[in-house]
Amino acid sequence: DTAVSQTPKYLVTQMGNDKSIKCEQNLGHDTMYWYKQDSKKFLKIMFSYNNKELIINETVPNRFSPKSPDKAHLNLHINSLELGDSAVYFCASSLKMTGAGEQYFGPGTRLTVT
Amino acid sequence: EDQVTQSPEALRLQEGESSSLNCSYTVSGLRGLFWYRQDPGKGPEFLFTLYSAGEEKEKERLKATLTKKESFLHITAPKPEDSATYLCAVQARGGKLIFGQGTELSVKP
Repeated sequence: DTAVSQTPKYLVTQMGNDKSIKCEQNLGHDTMYWYKQDSKKFLKIMFSYNNKELIINETVPNRFSPKSPDKAHLNLHINSLELGDSAVYFCASSLKMTGAGEQYFGPGTRLTVT
Repeated sequence: EDQVTQSPEALRLQEGESSSLNCSYTVSGLRGLFWYRQDPGKGPEFLFTLYSAGEEKEKERLKATLTKKESFLHITAPKPEDSATYLCAVQARGGKLIFGQGTELSVKP
């Protein structure tokens, strides 16, 4: 069974469009995260949720809006896509906020904005 | 500002040629240092957690060590299947992980 899954794996879209990425974890973890990995491989946190509550909200444009319907799901909606949004987006989870260094990552969603 | 720097950016080894990867960090209130492995097209995979200077962790051909300013990932007699990007991260106040840019390791047979 897949521990952390993301859909879609690839997303190609045009500037100005709105798109969503879905994430689900079946590990029973309390905390979930969204990361962005740019072309230079830098992995940077965007958001984290603990039991559906927003905990970390980095300096991310308002066009990005996470939603956690329950603690097993964390979705990412992006409005008015821009060229600079092209990257690989990873969802991750950890058992709790404490000990959050041991995270389980999904396979990533490669977003290409043309 | 909290920061993690890894060196070298890329490392090419022959099978069996041992070496070390470096991770230097500056962080206020270190709550842990973590090593991850990332294969192409996949998400990072957790390897080790280190909490205090002098601590060491081992897994197969990998050994991670920690000082007050840096961590080393020692690779002993590497095999081609060890080829991957190795990421170092620190957990700062507020709980977020700050990652380095990674070291891309290539092991040739």
